[in-house]
Amino acid sequence: EAGVTQFPSHSVIEKGQTVTLRCDPISGHDNLYWYRRVMGKEIKFLLHFVKESKQDESGMPNNRFLAERTGGTYSTLKVQPAELEDSGVYFCASSHADWQPQHFGDGTRLSIL
Amino acid sequence: TQLLEQSPQFLSIQEGENLTVYCNSSSVFSSLQWYRQEPGEGPVLLVTVVTGGEVKKLKRLTFQFGDARKDSSLHITAAQPGDTGLYLCAGVPDSNYQLIWGAGTKLIIKP
Repeated sequence: EAGVTQFPSHSVIEKGQTVTLRCDPISGHDNLYWYRRVMGKEIKFLLHFVKESKQDESGMPNNRFLAERTGGTYSTLKVQPAELEDSGVYFCASSHADWQPQHFGDGTRLSIL
Repeated sequence: TQLLEQSPQFLSIQEGENLTVYCNSSSVFSSLQWYRQEPGEGPVLLVTVVTGGEVKKLKRLTFQFGDARKDSSLHITAAQPGDTGLYLCAGVPDSNYQLIWGAGTKLIIKP
C-alpha cells in the first residue's frame, strides 16, 4: 500500500507570502495528524483530524495557520502570512484508528526568508 | 505541559560497543514509542511499549518501559554502522493521541 505522501518536499518563500502544504494519508485512514519540527527543537503536535473534523487543534501556533481536510481524504495546511519562525519541517501522519500506530510522511521542509 | 527529556542528544561510538538512550518524564504516559528517522525521511516506528516494566526486543535492540510509565530506554548491543541514525522517543498521553516527542538522539557508529 502507498504510504503517507506530502507535497511539496521543500518550499522556500519570503516572509509575508502564503504557502500551502498538502498531505495524502494512507487510503482508509480516518485519522490524520500534523506535526512540526523547528530547527533545534523537538517535534511538536499541531492538530488531529478524524475524517473531516478537527478532533484536536490545541497545538496550532496561531491564526496564521489553517488546516483543512475537506471530504476526509487529503489535508492541507496553509500558512498566511508566513513569518521567519515558521521555518521547519512539517510532518503529516495517519492512522486507521486513533489508538493505532501513526505512519509518517517524509515531511515538507519549509524555509521562510 | 508534558515533556519528554531524551539523552544523550548525540552519541558517536565504535562498532561493537553497547549503548543506551534514555527518555524521562515527570508525567505518566499510556504508552511510549521509539522511532528511527533517516535524513530526508519521516520517523519510522520501531516499537511501542504499553505496560509498566515491559521489555521488548528487536534483534540487538532492547526497549524498556519504566514501572511507573514515566520513562523508557533503548539499549543497543554490539552496535553496527547500520544502526547509525536519529532515534526518537514519543509518549502517548493518557488523555489524547497527540504524541509528545523527545528531542532525539543522533547516533553514529564508526566502523
